Amino acid sequence: AQTVTQSQPEMSVQEAETVTLSCTYDTSESDYYLFWYKQPPSRQMILVIRQEAYKQQNATENRFSVNFQKAAKSFSLKISDSQLGDAAMYFCAYRSAYGGATNKLIFGTGTLLAVQP
Amino acid sequence: GAGVSQSPSNKVTEKGKDVELRCDPISGHTALYWYRQSLGQGLEFLIYFQGNSAPDKSGLPSDRFSAERTGGSVSTLTIQRTQQEDSAVYLCASSLVGSGGYEQYFGPGTRLTVT
Repeated sequence: AQTVTQSQPEMSVQEAETVTLSCTYDTSESDYYLFWYKQPPSRQMILVIRQEAYKQQNATENRFSVNFQKAAKSFSLKISDSQLGDAAMYFCAYRSAYGGATNKLIFGTGTLLAVQP
Repeated sequence: GAGVSQSPSNKVTEKGKDVELRCDPISGHTALYWYRQSLGQGLEFLIYFQGNSAPDKSGLPSDRFSAERTGGSVSTLTIQRTQQEDSAVYLCASSLVGSGGYEQYFGPGTRLTVT
């Protein structure tokens, strides 16, 4: 079975600085997707960034980028120029690329990010 | 367009009562998921609907939990004889299709408190 591990329960960053959130995963599959979701106090899960395992190029979305190391099964999220609105719980998630019953997201335990003004 | 909506936003119930939680997915989305978010278990998958196919119920924690999806749209998650350990936030998500890397769009969740 696949597992996702986030080893940092809490992180803090100064406004305008850069922070990196860590995520590792375990799988025997060769094709899958990895995601970072943001959950603010409103509870609404928002997709931040997505990475396809078959793509070597790291995904980037504005201030958010990932460092995807497939061999090491590592998928970290870098937030540049941190803003107060980035404060939230961040979840790393795995999803198999194979259809059927494996379409569920498997989540890590989350990292609570605080942004200091 | 409108996103995924869930009702009620919050629900307090007494132990032993039955509850129904509702999810309205994004129009046209064929895949629908229920997840549970609790302090002890984190975020866990409950059930998955894809079109007219038989649902994947592999994540339901006990036979007190059931879900249905009527007309390929609205879904209801029912918890019978609620227990205190059922207290959690129940999140619903939908996606255009279940396969591939299609994004799952989440609703705001229902916070269930069992007293």
